[in-house]
Amino acid sequence: QQQVKQSPQSLIVQKGGISIINCAYENTAFDYFPWYQQFPGKGPALLIAIRPDVSEKKEGRFTISFNKSAKQFSLHIMDSQPGDSATYFCAASIGSGNTGKLIFGQGTTLQVKP
Amino acid sequence: GAVVSQHPSRVICKSGTSVKIECRSLDFQATTMFWYRQFPKQSLMLMATSNEGSKATYEQGVEKDKFLINHASLTLSTLTVTSAHPEDSSFYICSARDVSSGSHEQYFGPGTRLTVT
Repeated sequence: QQQVKQSPQSLIVQKGGISIINCAYENTAFDYFPWYQQFPGKGPALLIAIRPDVSEKKEGRFTISFNKSAKQFSLHIMDSQPGDSATYFCAASIGSGNTGKLIFGQGTTLQVKP
Repeated sequence: GAVVSQHPSRVICKSGTSVKIECRSLDFQATTMFWYRQFPKQSLMLMATSNEGSKATYEQGVEKDKFLINHASLTLSTLTVTSAHPEDSSFYICSARDVSSGSHEQYFGPGTRLTVT
């Protein structure tokens, strides 16, 4: 119930292409869904996050699509660049009135080929 | 944006010794801090949650007597790995959240690479 399942495990995209990473969850109490980007040897950095009351959020080249009924959400990276090559983690938490413990997906290693 | 620092960035210690890792929120008050460990090519595994001034809550399977967490102020939390062994070698990452602000956002430190020889 507390799991967040992420796919694919790895992804190779050509420069300029669209990278799509998917996540699914079971716990309907989750109310905050962030995506993090992590470079080797560094801590994760928050990319974009969404609450379940909206179906889509866009920030620059990054878009989260959220399907509450299917309990799925995805990250789309438009016009992917070699600098986007990193590991991406989705996560979910119960934030309201809570400590906001994050449950992470397994991670997706993205390689953008020039 | 909110900044979280960790010190040291990497540490090598001998088996049986203890090592302390500091996590600081530089420009906000962190009412709640989290400690994670991450093995190569794996996801982050939450070890414990600490609230300022109270005892940490450890995740199942994490030895609280081995991984001592102190959250003595709103800007500092420490993780002490006691009697370290080679299997404790890992990447330790802290994160911080200001629950009182109502924000869900959690800010991560740069991580500490621990190698136990």
